[in-house]
Amino acid sequence: AQTVTQSQPEMSVQEAETVTLSCTYDTSESDYYLFWYKQPPSRQMILVIRQEAYKQQNATENRFSVNFQKAAKSFSLKISDSQLGDAAMYFCAFNPYNTDKLIFGTGTRLQVFP
Amino acid sequence: DVKVTQSSRYLVKRTGEKVFLECVQDMDHENMFWYRQDPGLGLRLIYFSYDVKMKEKGDIPEGYSVSREKKERFSLILESASTNQTSMYLCASSRGDAGSGNTIYFGEGSWLTVV
Repeated sequence: AQTVTQSQPEMSVQEAETVTLSCTYDTSESDYYLFWYKQPPSRQMILVIRQEAYKQQNATENRFSVNFQKAAKSFSLKISDSQLGDAAMYFCAFNPYNTDKLIFGTGTRLQVFP
Repeated sequence: DVKVTQSSRYLVKRTGEKVFLECVQDMDHENMFWYRQDPGLGLRLIYFSYDVKMKEKGDIPEGYSVSREKKERFSLILESASTNQTSMYLCASSRGDAGSGNTIYFGEGSWLTVV
């Protein structure tokens, strides 16, 4: 069975600094997708970034980028120039091939200090 | 703008009551999901529907059932609510025609407390 592990329940960062959230996963599949979702205090989950496993290039979305290490089954999220609005729960999610049923990690709560 | 709407944000129900959580999406999506979110456990899939009247059990279906009579609406039913079903429930939807890797759109969540 596929599993997703987020080993950092909480992280904190100062405004304008950089922070990295860790995620590892376990699967025997070779084709899949990985996501980072953000859940602010308002509770609406929103997609931050998506990575396709067959693409070696790391995905980037403005201040958000990932370090995807397929062999190590690692998928970390880097937030650059952190802003107060980045404070939220961040969930790493694994998407097996040919389905949209996501498997989520337990989440990392990110605090941003001014 | 994409919208997944959960009609009840906060509910308090008594043990043994039948509870309906309603979800509507306006994107003509084939796939709809119900997740349960608990601290330290992340999101766990309860049920999944890939078409009208079609459903699949997720990881934690016990104590729950679902109904999808129309494409835009997916209901989660607790036949006899118990205190261990106190949780946050999230509805979501996605396109069904692109295999996998689709963006999943979430509702704002329904906080259910069973007393």
